Amino acid sequence: LAKTTQPISMDSYEGQEVNITCSHNNIATNDYITWYQQFPSQGPRFIIQGYKTKVTNEVASLFIPADRKSSTLSLPRVSLSDTAVYYCLVGIPWGAGKSTFGDGTTLTVKP
Amino acid sequence: GAVVSQHPSWVICKSGTSVKIECRSLDFQATTMFWYRQFPKQSLMLMATSNEGSKATYEQGVEKDKFLINHASLTLSTLTVTSAHPEDSSFYICSARGTEPTEAFFGQGTRLTVV
Repeated sequence: LAKTTQPISMDSYEGQEVNITCSHNNIATNDYITWYQQFPSQGPRFIIQGYKTKVTNEVASLFIPADRKSSTLSLPRVSLSDTAVYYCLVGIPWGAGKSTFGDGTTLTVKP
Repeated sequence: GAVVSQHPSWVICKSGTSVKIECRSLDFQATTMFWYRQFPKQSLMLMATSNEGSKATYEQGVEKDKFLINHASLTLSTLTVTSAHPEDSSFYICSARGTEPTEAFFGQGTRLTVV
């Protein structure tokens, strides 16, 4: 299983764009990259998943360079409610199936 | 997205008793379910993987006789913490996936406190 490395914490202000980068140097050919969001005392919530280049949905974008050894989750115009822990997972295409959760990034959005 | 429901959301039990936690997929058939444990300020740790109708596969260091997992149907998996002790107090989270949708969806978690 590919190991992931993320910053432990990040601070931002409302309305700013936030980019959280995840390193996964030993990603395998068949691995996908999935990001989850977790609020205190709640289960993780799926945000976005991708294999290469760029993926965008209604809440975030995921940028993956050609070598796939890293990925960046981009949250446009964050609000206070985006304060949470964000996890990057690398593994089989169906997300957290057998992937290992890393330490995650605690994002704090300030007014 | 698909819905996975856990019950109860929180439970307090006495040391030495057993507690059962249910995980249900409400709008899809979950061929595989996963159970995680999360201690305060820590990440999720995968405990076991269960496939419908099969015995669960436990991660290294997880006692299968203490954490009994049953995945008897395509919509229900249960985790029973037997002879619970205070050190078993934690946040237990299940996730489920089927053939469609392909990503895993998580339940809301169960806060277990053993006193």
